[in-house]
Amino acid sequence: AQTVTQSQPEMSVQEAETVTLSCTYDTSENNYYLFWYKQPPSRQMILVIRQEAYKQQNATENRFSVNFQKAAKSFSLKISDSQLGDTAMYFCAFMKLSTSGTYKYIFGTGTRLKVLA
Amino acid sequence: NAGVMQNPRHLVRRRGQEARLRCSPMKGHSHVYWYRQLPEEGLKFMVYLQKENIIDESGMPKERFSAEFPKEGPSILRIQQVVRGDSAAYFCASSPVQDLNWNTEAFFGQGTRLTVV
Repeated sequence: AQTVTQSQPEMSVQEAETVTLSCTYDTSENNYYLFWYKQPPSRQMILVIRQEAYKQQNATENRFSVNFQKAAKSFSLKISDSQLGDTAMYFCAFMKLSTSGTYKYIFGTGTRLKVLA
Repeated sequence: NAGVMQNPRHLVRRRGQEARLRCSPMKGHSHVYWYRQLPEEGLKFMVYLQKENIIDESGMPKERFSAEFPKEGPSILRIQQVVRGDSAAYFCASSPVQDLNWNTEAFFGQGTRLTVV
């Protein structure tokens, strides 16, 4: 069974600084997808960034980038130039697609990030 | 195009009552997923449905919980005889038809917070 581990329950960063959130996962699959979701106090789940496992190039979305190490099963999120609006829970998630079309996300327990003014 | 709509946003039930949570997927989406988020935890998969079919219910408790996605109308997650431990946020996500290249993502609703008193 797949598992996703986020070992940092809470983190804080000064505004405009850079912070890295860690995520490791365990799977025997070769083709899968990894995601980072942001959950602000409104509870809305917002997709931040995603990575296809078959792609070696790390995904980037503006201030957000990942360091995907497939062999190490590591998928960290780097937030550059942190903003107060980045304050939220961040969830790492794993997804695989089966040939029958069934898939589901497996989420980590989250990292609560606080950006300090 | 409205996003995934869940209602109610908040639901309070006494122990032993029934809870009905509704999810209207995004227009054009035929796949619905239900997830449960306990306090301070990540989202846990419950069930995956297509129109009139339950595809994967491996995350559903064996008793008291049921889900449906009829041909017309929203998907319903039903919890009978609720207990305190059912208190959680319940999220629905929807996606369009998948293909093996999986160029789509699932979009989450804002969740229903169920409180059992």
